[in-house]
Amino acid sequence: ILNVEQSPQSLHVQEGDSTNFTCSFPSSNFYALHWYRWETAKSPEALFVMTLNGDEKKKGRISATLNTKEGYSYLYIKGSQPEDSATYLCATGGSQGNLIFGKGTKLSVKP
Amino acid sequence: KAGVTQTPRYLIKTRGQQVTLSCSPISGHRSVSWYQQTPGQGLQFLFEYFSETQRNKGNFPGRFSGRQFSNSRSEMNVSTLELGDSALYLCASSSQPRQGGTDTQYFGPGTRLTVL
Repeated sequence: ILNVEQSPQSLHVQEGDSTNFTCSFPSSNFYALHWYRWETAKSPEALFVMTLNGDEKKKGRISATLNTKEGYSYLYIKGSQPEDSATYLCATGGSQGNLIFGKGTKLSVKP
Repeated sequence: KAGVTQTPRYLIKTRGQQVTLSCSPISGHRSVSWYQQTPGQGLQFLFEYFSETQRNKGNFPGRFSGRQFSNSRSEMNVSTLELGDSALYLCASSSQPRQGGTDTQYFGPGTRLTVL
C-alpha cells in the first residue's frame, strides 16, 4: 500500500507572501504525480501531472517540481493572493491507474 | 465541454437504507472512478469503470458497488448504510485508463451523503 504524505497540514500566509508545500511518496514503482487545487464547495481542479524525475511545471504563479529518486514533490505559489486559498492535494498513480491521495495542505491567504 | 456532473448533490438517509449516486463524465471520457472523502482522511479510491467493466477496486466492503452504462455514465450504490458511510463521494473521469495513473482525472463536485 502506497502512503502519500503532505506537509504542512495547514498554512496561513499574508497576501503577497510566497509559500511552498511538500508531497512525499514511495520512490519505488513510481508512475505519475498529480497536484490538484480544491476550493470549498467546488470540484478539485487539476493543476499538474508530472512523470519524469526533474520535471518542473508552471501555471501562472504556481509551479511544481518532482524528485522521483527521493520521492518528493514541491508546490510553490509566488505572491499568494486570497483567491489561492484552497486545499492542495497531491496524488500518485497506482499501477492499475487509480490515484492515491495525500490528505492535503489547506492554505489560507489573508488580505 | 461540460464538466463532470454528479447527482444528487446532497442526500440524507437513515441506517440500513440503500442509496444510489450518479455520475456523468465529460463527453468522450470512458473511464469513471469513484472516491470517498471522510473527515480527516484523504480521498479514498472506491472503484474504476471503463467500457462498462470494473477495472480496479479499492479496499471497501461489498456493500459498495457500482456500474457503468454504455454512454459511460456511472452509478454507485451503497447498501445497508452505516453511520460511517457519511462522506463526500466524488467521481472523476478520464479519457482512458493508463497504467500508473498518468492520465489527468477530472472531478465532479461530489455528493454529500449524510447517514442518520
